[in-house]
Amino acid sequence: AQSVSQHNHHVILSEAASLELGCNYSYGGTVNLFWYVQYPGQHLQLLLKYFSGDPLVKGIKGFEAEFIKSKFSFNLRKPSVQWSDTAEYFCAVSGGFQKLVFGTGTRLLVSP
Amino acid sequence: DAGVTQSPTHLIKTRGQQVTLRCSPKSGHDTVSWYQQALGQGPQFIFQYYEEEERQRGNFPDRFSGHQFPNYSSELNVNALLLGDSALYLCASSLNTNNEQFFGPGTRLTVL
Repeated sequence: AQSVSQHNHHVILSEAASLELGCNYSYGGTVNLFWYVQYPGQHLQLLLKYFSGDPLVKGIKGFEAEFIKSKFSFNLRKPSVQWSDTAEYFCAVSGGFQKLVFGTGTRLLVSP
Repeated sequence: DAGVTQSPTHLIKTRGQQVTLRCSPKSGHDTVSWYQQALGQGPQFIFQYYEEEERQRGNFPDRFSGHQFPNYSSELNVNALLLGDSALYLCASSLNTNNEQFFGPGTRLTVL
């Protein structure tokens, strides 16, 4: 069965600090990988996705993620966070045109 | 271009009652998926509809059923409500040829 692990449940950073959120998945076949963000009071939005090709993918708002197949990982990074990045971040995996399996999420708080 | 819309926004029911939640997909999308997000958890896949049929189902009991209409909109029905059904119910739409799912704002269901 597919599963996703997000190791950091709560992260607190100061503005301009660098961010890296871990995501590991378990799936035996070809995967599609996603990071979604949920800002306070808003709905889930897609940050970035990996389907194939270049393992380093760039998303919106300066976020990027690297797919490392050998480590079954898809970590999210941002060089310098802003207060507006305060949100909950979800990693998700899918095997083709199928259901998304989400991790439990990471709550990020950025202090100004 | 309207995104995914869901109704109602909030709903309060008592144990044993039945509820119907509605979803209109993003314009041009033909596939609808439903997720349950309990407090502090990531979304859990309930089922997916394509061409008016349930294509895939997650680990949810038969009390959870759905429907997709010819205009691609969808309904989620839950019978014999339990306290544990209290959650945010999310609808996501996508194209059958592309697994990038767009989420609606959700319906917050409270079962008393």
